[in-house]
Amino acid sequence: AQTVTQSQPEMSVQEAETVTLSCTYDTSESDYYLFWYKQPPSRQMILVIRQEAYKQQNATENRFSVNFQKAAKSFSLKISDSQLGDAAMYFCAYFPGDNNDMRFGAGTRLTVKP
Amino acid sequence: NAGVTQTPKFQVLKTGQSMTLQCAQDMNHEYMSWYRQDPGMGLRLIHYSVGAGITDQGEVPNGYNVSRSTTEDFPLRLLSAAPSQTSVYFCASSRGRSSGANVLTFGAGSRLTVL
Repeated sequence: AQTVTQSQPEMSVQEAETVTLSCTYDTSESDYYLFWYKQPPSRQMILVIRQEAYKQQNATENRFSVNFQKAAKSFSLKISDSQLGDAAMYFCAYFPGDNNDMRFGAGTRLTVKP
Repeated sequence: NAGVTQTPKFQVLKTGQSMTLQCAQDMNHEYMSWYRQDPGMGLRLIHYSVGAGITDQGEVPNGYNVSRSTTEDFPLRLLSAAPSQTSVYFCASSRGRSSGANVLTFGAGSRLTVL
């Protein structure tokens, strides 16, 4: 079974600074999708960014970018110019497509200090 | 607003009781799923459906039933509640599984406590 590992249960960052959240995954597939979801205290799950494994270019969404290392099976999230509203749980997710499950990591709780 | 609607938001049950968590989406999404979220374990898939009349088991299906009689609705039934089913439950949907269609839209979650 595919697994997703987030090795940092908690992280903190100073407002306006940059922070990187780690994610590794285990798979034998060559084509798949990776996601980062954000869960603020409201509990709502919000998509942050998405990466397709066949694309070598790292995805970027405003202040959020990923470092996708396919050979290393690593998918880290970089948040630049951190804002107080970025404080949340962040979940990394792996999806192989077809008739398979989306697998989530255990999450990283990000605190943003003013 | 279009999206995924879950009810109830909170529920307390006694061991052995049954209940149904409702999930409805108005985006004409083919794929729907139920997850449970437990501290330190992320989200784990309970059951999913790739279309009306088609359901399948996920990672943790025991103690739960689902059905998909319409595209819009995907209820989750707890047959005989146990304290181990205390959790936050999320319903999610997407247009499909292929590239561009597989981004999940989540409901707001339902917190269930089993005493």
